[in-house]
Amino acid sequence: QKEVEQNSGPLSVPEGAIASLNCTYSDRGSQSFFWYRQYSGKSPELIMFIYSNGDKEDGRFTAQLNKASQYVSLLIRDSQPSDSATYLCAVHASGGSYIPTFGRGTSLIVHP
Amino acid sequence: SQTIHQWPATLVQPVGSPLSLECTVEGTSNPNLYWYRQAAGRGLQLLFYSVGIGQISSEVPQNLSASRPQDRQFILSSKKLLLSDSGFYLCAWSVLAGREQYFGPGTRLTVT
Repeated sequence: QKEVEQNSGPLSVPEGAIASLNCTYSDRGSQSFFWYRQYSGKSPELIMFIYSNGDKEDGRFTAQLNKASQYVSLLIRDSQPSDSATYLCAVHASGGSYIPTFGRGTSLIVHP
Repeated sequence: SQTIHQWPATLVQPVGSPLSLECTVEGTSNPNLYWYRQAAGRGLQLLFYSVGIGQISSEVPQNLSASRPQDRQFILSSKKLLLSDSGFYLCAWSVLAGREQYFGPGTRLTVT
């Protein structure tokens, strides 16, 4: 059973701080990793994807992947109240799997 | 650019009634299509996915069914709804296996 674990939160950070969201996965053969943001009552939207070990930066967002330790994280710099949402981690197994495994998400609250 | 549509946006149906939810994708050919359900406060549950016309894979045995009559059309159906079918239904597409998914706006279904 492939599992993706996230702390449900809520993670509360002050405006302007760095928010750090973490995700661990059980399938060592996982190949691709995704972060989605879901505002309350809305559908998930893709923020970032990462395939290789290391860091990938896109604006205020940085995804970090460590395959040896089986975790992927999302850093949000200069957090804004508009970043308040649930962040979903998704992982695809190896072999061209069509089916991602989603974590249950971490709720982030950025307070002014 | 690609766009994904879902309708209706909200639906209230009595127990035992039929269901038909539709999803269409524009701007891409031969997408992989997915139906998810998200119950209140819960994670994403994959219901069905399709890699081509007429090709449907079911992930969860239940009273729901899916069909893909055209390349960019995906339909979720039920002959008789249960109370437990209430939830937020999301259609998503991806260009290839193992790649990022793009979600439609969702249908919020309440079975009464």
